[in-house]
Amino acid sequence: QKEVEQDPGPLSVPEGAIVSLNCTYSNSAFQYFMWYRQYSRKGPELLMYTYSSGNKEDGRFTAQVDKSSKYISLFIRDSQPSDSATYLCAMDSSYKLIFGSGTRLLVRP
Amino acid sequence: DGGITQSPKYLFRKEGQNVTLSCEQNLNHDAMYWYRQDPGQGLRLIYYSQIVNDFQKGDIAEGYSVSREKKESFPLTVTSAQKNPTAFYLCASSGAGTEANYGYTFGSGTRLTVV
Repeated sequence: QKEVEQDPGPLSVPEGAIVSLNCTYSNSAFQYFMWYRQYSRKGPELLMYTYSSGNKEDGRFTAQVDKSSKYISLFIRDSQPSDSATYLCAMDSSYKLIFGSGTRLLVRP
Repeated sequence: DGGITQSPKYLFRKEGQNVTLSCEQNLNHDAMYWYRQDPGQGLRLIYYSQIVNDFQKGDIAEGYSVSREKKESFPLTVTSAQKNPTAFYLCASSGAGTEANYGYTFGSGTRLTVV
């Protein structure tokens, strides 16, 4: 069993939809949770990070962590075609990050 | 502008050859990392370095080697012992220790293909 599980998608939605991306994990010691966005043939870029449980909002993006369920989510409101990318969750493990396999998102105009 | 530069963008390797991927950062970060990305498998850690002249193996270090002689540079050599080297290679950097928990900065990657 992988430490971090993420549905690979692809997830296809119309422009303006609310998108929900999720990861589950098995290590209860994880404290920091991150979401990265990766465009095709580019390196990942950090979108948001959250410490412990709770919500964090940044513009159209909201990150949510539920440590009791070992479940994290990224919500994208009013999705745009420019949001089409692969989204990777990541979690800390002894000063190294463990990444999910990524969910490919396509926002249709 | 601060950032991480990986070169070359595309690299072709013949069977039995060693090749070296370059990674340079001007972010004054202490820690640097090499990841390999294959379709459907996410990022897997090859090597990481928390400080100059020190580095540790990651999850898939076999067939790879690194050096960390300067803070700014962390080159990766893919040796002939790596049987399946075709992949997208990503270099990253961060602050050391707990600062790494606030996220990494990634380079734009090198796509290596065996011909």
